[in-house]
Amino acid sequence: DAGVTQSPTHLIKTRGQQVTLRCSPKSGHDTVSWYQQALGQGPQFIFQYYEEEERQRGNFPDRFSGHQFPNYSSELNVNALLLGDSALYLCASSRLAASTDTQYFGPGTRLTVL
Amino acid sequence: QQPVQSPQAVILREGEDAVINCSSSKALYSVHWYRQKHGEAPVFLMILLKGGEQKGHDKISASFNEKKQQSSLYLTASQLSYSGTYFCGTARNSGNTPLVFGKGTRLSVIA
Repeated sequence: DAGVTQSPTHLIKTRGQQVTLRCSPKSGHDTVSWYQQALGQGPQFIFQYYEEEERQRGNFPDRFSGHQFPNYSSELNVNALLLGDSALYLCASSRLAASTDTQYFGPGTRLTVL
Repeated sequence: QQPVQSPQAVILREGEDAVINCSSSKALYSVHWYRQKHGEAPVFLMILLKGGEQKGHDKISASFNEKKQQSSLYLTASQLSYSGTYFCGTARNSGNTPLVFGKGTRLSVIA
């Protein structure tokens, strides 16, 4: 049973550029949530996708956008990168109708903005 | 709204016990505990639901006090593999609401 996968593992970009991160959820899961984790901090919620729609959104600017595909995989796009966007980006998958709300995290994408 | 974890850091010798606390100022539906090793993704440990019982597996267990809106994670007879940063994530409602994480507790187990 494959777990949550993310690509790429690492990414280096310069200020002003755009980046796309990808996530494939755990088998049987239909909901994908994205989190940003700055160094030494806990993960912070960006947004959540279900049935190809953005279901909930955290306190992040519109530069952060996403998409979910029919196969439940998801993308996170960040435009006009800032130095402060450097972080570990985590994808978590879950099943909306499950009796518990357990979210399973992928290995993350380490984004460095120079 | 961010839960407060305590202590911020703790150092244990193998075989010692530890308790990590997670407190919220808001009423919670669930508390989720994760362990994250350096450079890796958070790994799910257990979930405590409102009205649920204390959970546990192996030598790690947790409880949820609804009156205090506080959860505690208990690690007994610690092993070197327990080292890492422990995060609690809280949800105020059911239905896959996003988790709000604390700042984490760094646990180091030494021989």
